[in-house]
Amino acid sequence: EVQLVESGGGLVQPGGSLRLDCAASGFPFSSYGMTWVRQAPGKGLECISYISGGHSSIYYADSVRGRFTISRDNARNSLFLQMSSLTVEDTAIYYCARKVSTGTPLGAFDVWGLGTMVTVSS
Amino acid sequence: ATQLTQSPSSLSASVGDGVTITCRASQGISSALAWYQQKPGKAPKLLIYPASSLQRGVPSRFSGSGSGTDFTLTISSLQPEDFATYYCQQFNDYPQTFGQGTKLEIK
Repeated sequence: EVQLVESGGGLVQPGGSLRLDCAASGFPFSSYGMTWVRQAPGKGLECISYISGGHSSIYYADSVRGRFTISRDNARNSLFLQMSSLTVEDTAIYYCARKVSTGTPLGAFDVWGLGTMVTVSS
Repeated sequence: ATQLTQSPSSLSASVGDGVTITCRASQGISSALAWYQQKPGKAPKLLIYPASSLQRGVPSRFSGSGSGTDFTLTISSLQPEDFATYYCQQFNDYPQTFGQGTKLEIK
């Protein structure tokens, strides 16, 4: 079964750091670009970071560039998001998602995890 | 960044009704558009990609059309499980952006 499972969310103070993990199974992980999408409470979806299967392409939304770092370990079928200098505006559910196989960094997201909640509050 | 504007933002309809949701892009994006369904407390589910191609397993009552700047998602005969929020997403360029969502509620 194709599956993505996020972990690492929780409550963190403003200015703090957190690392999110996403464990993939059921598909050739290294062959797929992966993304992190977040959703603030009651709000819409925001694509915040992308990494290609071979690490050659990495993208960050302006809202997180310089504060978040995306990475992956293909040997462990894992995707990561290191978040620092967190603000209350980063409070959201964070989803990892698989990009459809297109050969480019652009495409829709066909497999999603259940999400992990990050709350930034003092 | 390419902005996507969905209309309406919310919609009330009855089981068996047909509904159409529109997504307009701020610039031409060819057919680089996807549609998702999200139910409360769940992750989004990819329905249509690109523009008019139904994903495997998605009921045929869902259909998508459009290219350039104007796109539509049509549900031909609403079923109880279709009441959800629907999002469009463009993947023509970075940043990949989503519409603000259309909440489909039971009348």
